[in-house]
Amino acid sequence: DAKTTQPPSMDCAEGRAANLPCNHSTISGNEYVYWYRQIHSQGPQYIIHGLKNNETNEMASLIITEDRKSSTLILPHATLRDTAVYYCIVRVEGSYIPTFGRGTSLIVHP
Amino acid sequence: EAGVAQSPRYKIIEKRQSVAFWCNPISGHATLYWYQQILGQGPKLLIQFQNNGVVDDSQLPKDRFSAERLKGVDSTLKIQPAKLEDSAVYLCASSRWEVSQYFGPGTRLLVL
Repeated sequence: DAKTTQPPSMDCAEGRAANLPCNHSTISGNEYVYWYRQIHSQGPQYIIHGLKNNETNEMASLIITEDRKSSTLILPHATLRDTAVYYCIVRVEGSYIPTFGRGTSLIVHP
Repeated sequence: EAGVAQSPRYKIIEKRQSVAFWCNPISGHATLYWYQQILGQGPKLLIQFQNNGVVDDSQLPKDRFSAERLKGVDSTLKIQPAKLEDSAVYLCASSRWEVSQYFGPGTRLLVL
């Protein structure tokens, strides 16, 4: 189910914006882009999802390119507690997630 | 709203032994999932229940893994007999709608 490509790791300074990229060049017209994160020793946590318009909520912003082949998750002011593995997944809305892939390990440093 | 509860949190067994994990989903969530997460990898779905019926168990190793969801609420995942490669975190999740899956803390299994 390798529909997305993410860098294995990234780091970011505390207080700065963290921009996590995701490539999904084979995304279908009815598939959404979902982002989850998994903090150490916890289960994955839903962050945000979108179809083609940019989305924002209290946790993050999601920027999807016009051709929908890639997207960026933005944590505007990263904190140490944002250190986690971030998963980018493309799914039809309402469908379950069969596998999360390896994600991007984000380390936020002081 | 209470989250997804799982027990035990940790379990160490020897190969060929049996083990069972328990999950209590969020109240009112009809859909329940069991995932396996091997160290360094993302979670992989083992089985999905809708109420007490199985929706998808295509990735469940049925020769040794079994799961049930009696009365459509709690669920149990069993491994019998365990192998070394079953060492992983077993995550339970539930949802009212599949887009909003809520995960429990997981059970860490070590098979020696």
